[in-house]
This record gives sequence, structure tokens and C-alpha cells, in this order.
Amino acid sequence: SQKIEQNSEALNIQEGKTATLTCNYTNYSPAYLQWYRQDPGRGPVFLLLIRENEKEKRKERLKVTFDTTLKQSLFHITASQPADSATYLCALDLTGTASKLTFGTGTRLQVTL
Amino acid sequence: DVKVTQSSRYLVKRTGEKVFLECVQDMDHENMFWYRQDPGLGLRLIYFSYDVKMKEKGDIPEGYSVSREKKERFSLILESASTNQTSMYLCASSTGTGKAQPQHFGDGTRLSIL
Repeated sequence: SQKIEQNSEALNIQEGKTATLTCNYTNYSPAYLQWYRQDPGRGPVFLLLIRENEKEKRKERLKVTFDTTLKQSLFHITASQPADSATYLCALDLTGTASKLTFGTGTRLQVTL
Repeated sequence: DVKVTQSSRYLVKRTGEKVFLECVQDMDHENMFWYRQDPGLGLRLIYFSYDVKMKEKGDIPEGYSVSREKKERFSLILESASTNQTSMYLCASSTGTGKAQPQHFGDGTRLSIL
């Protein structure tokens, strides 16, 4: 069966450092992968999309990599700030139709001063 | 900006009641989705719709039904609420144009079934 794995343990990081979150998947070759941010009591908010033919994508302090051989995506936040504290979810399209997504369980990031 | 509005932030109902959760989006999106989110299980798809009056089962449709009579509105119905349906329910929408479109979420309804 399909499986998407994100580290369920919270990631604690000091302000100014680079945070790296991991998304691993098995038994599938998705055409693209998305990353979302979710704050407590709120719905997820889309951040970045990366396609299978893209190795890396950047948006301001965010960087996403996609290694289809390793079946892994890495999500980096450089110069992290306390405001970056949130849960980050990766999502894959497993069917290729109607943008139906399967989400990982998310990794909580805590950035401290 | 896309706005997805869920009718209630918090809802308390009793076992056996019929419960309606409403979702409205203002961006003329073709696709709409209902998820539930539980600790340790993440977001799980209940139902989705890619057009008016069209619906498809997601991964956990049992005990739920949906209605999409108008493009902007997607309703989730708990036919006979049970305590194991206590959860956070999230609605989302996306455009049907092209693949890989991001989903836009509402802020959720925290439903408690007593």
C-alpha cells in the first residue's frame, strides 16, 4: 500500500539556523509533490509544488528538493524565525486525476530564540 | 485570494443525530474535498467532487455522504453521528484546470459527538 512518512517527532531549532524536514514515500512514483504549512486550529496553507523533473524549487527562504530515486523530498527553511513554527505537511498526487492528494502526518517545527 | 468558508468552527452533537457540515468557496473552483484530521493519522480524504452533482469516495467514506448542488457549495453529512466521528473536519477546493493544482483549505470544524 502507499505510504508517506514524515518524522512525527517535533523538530526544535534555534532561530537563524536552517530547518530541514523530510518526506519519504514508498510504492509509488508521483508526478509532483506539494508542501503545506498548518498552524494550530487552522487549515493547511499551500507553500510549494515540485514536479518529478525538477530537482529543486525555491521561494524566498524556502527550498524543496525532490529525489525520485530515493523517493524523498527535503524541505528547507533558511534563516529560520519563531514565526516559522508550525506543522509542515507533504502531499502527493497518487492518482493523477482531479488533484486528489494524499497527505503525510506532518512534522511540527519549533523555532526558538 | 481564495476563500473557503466552513459554516461552524465548533459543533457539538449527540450520537444518532444527522449532522450537516457546510463549505463554500468563492473562486469558482471545480474540485472540492472533505477531509478529517486526527492526531497521528493526519488528513484523510472522506469524499471529493470534481463537478456539480458529481462525487467520488475517498479513503474513509463509511458513515458519511455528501451533496454538491451548486458549484460553490459542498456539504458533508453524517447520517447517524457516532462518537468515533469526533474529529476536525476540513474542506478544501482546487481548480480543475491542469494537474498538480494546490488545494485551498478552510479553517476547519471541530466536531464533538457526545
